[in-house]
Amino acid sequence: SAVISQKPSRDICQRGTSLTIQCQVDSQVTMMFWYRQQPGQSLTLIATANQGSEATYESGFVIDKFPISRPNLTFSTLTVSNMSPEDSSIYLCSVLLGQETQYFGPGTRLLVL
Amino acid sequence: AQSVTQLDSQVPVFEEAPVELRCNYSSSVSVYLFWYVQYPNQGLQLLLKYLSGSTLVKGINGFEAEFNKSQTSFHLRKPSVHISDTAEYFCAVRQSNDYKLSFGAGTTVTVRA
Repeated sequence: SAVISQKPSRDICQRGTSLTIQCQVDSQVTMMFWYRQQPGQSLTLIATANQGSEATYESGFVIDKFPISRPNLTFSTLTVSNMSPEDSSIYLCSVLLGQETQYFGPGTRLLVL
Repeated sequence: AQSVTQLDSQVPVFEEAPVELRCNYSSSVSVYLFWYVQYPNQGLQLLLKYLSGSTLVKGINGFEAEFNKSQTSFHLRKPSVHISDTAEYFCAVRQSNDYKLSFGAGTTVTVRA
């Protein structure tokens, strides 16, 4: 497996502001993913982030709202832009190891007021 | 595309009793199957996975699951649960030719003394 950390672990933000979430992994990985888990719900894939290329977004998610950076093979950021209370969720990053298995970070718990 | 159905949203169980969490999937191609656990206020932890080979797979914390291709199921079992097994359990599937994971809605297991 891998050691994956996320910053911040939680935050409370005002509507209209933006928050950047960082994801760091202790080994080089090709593929990283960002998920959203709304309160009481399952996980929904936001985008796939590969180093050296633009992120690939899933239906319903757009780059203007969720810009992603992937500057190297151990780090990625997800920004939640122009936040509204509907963005209150847990945001999780994951990495693909061994071509088959995704391992997840601890999540960032976001509350938007 | 693939999909996952977890048949039980909540499973209350007494300590030291057995538990089974049901998961069915649909896919037009071969799949990889996973069970993840989410303890309160934590990220997702991999319990076990089926990639190929033996249909009975053993995971961490005494859990096991059986892949049944004819019934397109991947049910999770534990013969004797502990209070510490109280958590949310997610079944996930990905097609062998794609990296995207699809998650079920989750099953909340509450273990009572």
